[in-house]
Amino acid sequence: AQSVTQLDSHVSVSEGTPVLLRCNYSSSYSPSLFWYVQHPNKGLQLLLKYTSAATLVKGINGFEAEFKKSETSFHLTKPSAHMSDAAEYFCVVSDMNNFNKFYFGSGTKLNVKP
Amino acid sequence: DAGVIQSPRHEVTEMGQEVTLRCKPISGHNSLFWYRQTMMRGLELLIYFNNNVPIDDSGMPEDRFSAKMPNASFSTLKIQPSEPRDSAVYFCASSPRSVGNEQFFGPGTRLTVL
Repeated sequence: AQSVTQLDSHVSVSEGTPVLLRCNYSSSYSPSLFWYVQHPNKGLQLLLKYTSAATLVKGINGFEAEFKKSETSFHLTKPSAHMSDAAEYFCVVSDMNNFNKFYFGSGTKLNVKP
Repeated sequence: DAGVIQSPRHEVTEMGQEVTLRCKPISGHNSLFWYRQTMMRGLELLIYFNNNVPIDDSGMPEDRFSAKMPNASFSTLKIQPSEPRDSAVYFCASSPRSVGNEQFFGPGTRLTVL
């Protein structure tokens, strides 16, 4: 069975400081994992994806995530937060045996303080 | 590529009226997903199709909701009769056939039932 747990519902950082959004997953087999971002009143945009290639995945806007099988984690990081990063972030695991059905985490709202 | 297209973008209706939401997936994608997002329940998968065939509609909240995909380029989600608790943002997403591929989300339809 597939599932995702996002460990923090809200994260607050100051502009220019690092960002860490935590995600743990459960999967019956080698997973495909994604991070999506949703800005207020907008749709969901893909940040990055992991599909069993390099374990360190680089995405858009300076974000990256590291797949750690031993820890079943896929945490999202960014070295330096920008005001425009304030949004909600969703970690997702895909069921490749079920037409790429997505299992979403509950989301983490990132607040960036000036 | 125009991406996933949804219409209307906003819909305001009165309780008891029929509502039809429309989605045009990205050309060549063969899976289509309908989601609902509310503050209380977050993102919920309602139904998804593969090659125009409904695969899993277990997320459809009740018989008032129905969805169709008459061809590869068009899908509808209908609510009849609508109720105030149906107020939400409804997203459509499409995905190509390959395993591990992401879903591409439309901009959403914001539905308000008075």
